[in-house]
Amino acid sequence: GAVVSQHPSRVICKSGTSVKIECRSLDFQATTMFWYRQFPKKSLMLMATSNEGSKATYEQGVEKDKFLINHASLTLSTLTVTSAHPEDSSFYICSARGGYTEAFFGQGTRLTVV
Amino acid sequence: GEDVEQSLFLSVREGDSSVINCTYTDSSSTYLYWYKQEPGAGLQLLTYIFSNMDMKQDQRLTVLLNKKDKHLSLRIADTQTGDSAIYFCAEISGGSYIPTFGRGTSLIVHP
Repeated sequence: GAVVSQHPSRVICKSGTSVKIECRSLDFQATTMFWYRQFPKKSLMLMATSNEGSKATYEQGVEKDKFLINHASLTLSTLTVTSAHPEDSSFYICSARGGYTEAFFGQGTRLTVV
Repeated sequence: GEDVEQSLFLSVREGDSSVINCTYTDSSSTYLYWYKQEPGAGLQLLTYIFSNMDMKQDQRLTVLLNKKDKHLSLRIADTQTGDSAIYFCAEISGGSYIPTFGRGTSLIVHP
């Protein structure tokens, strides 16, 4: 299958700082990228959908000023958690889809805010 | 919204078959997927099935789809300890093309 690389895999940051997570499609052009947050009881919550060159579409209840998503190219999307707080600590996963309907996932990023 | 439901846990003995079940509500689902997540890792696409199929086999994996009952299952033959993981069922409907996930089934394989 296609490869999606997410970086970093783990990050610890201080409360009040911002953290950027990168999601790259390595061998295909990702016209659509998804960002998910996974809660401790395993459920995946879709945060936003982004199409290359367009503004991201955020799901209800997700603060777009806090979770900044940029999809500037067909191979890269970034999620920036601004002014992070301990309640933002979670596992964030990106997913990318090209011309196919199946979506491929990155390895995930474990964010811990202290 | 659309729902995808899975049982949360399944425990099997090594060498036995595992069957993980999933139900969904969206009758316009076009693709149904199974993903595997190992501890601390992202999701790995295992297999998928089109809604006009009723079965798909891929080595040790067999997917059965009952479209009438909106029921999907994943059978893992000769389950090994390395199969221990969380398995997510997901569906995509022709309208949004946004995957909707179940909460995941934790498969525990013991000797």
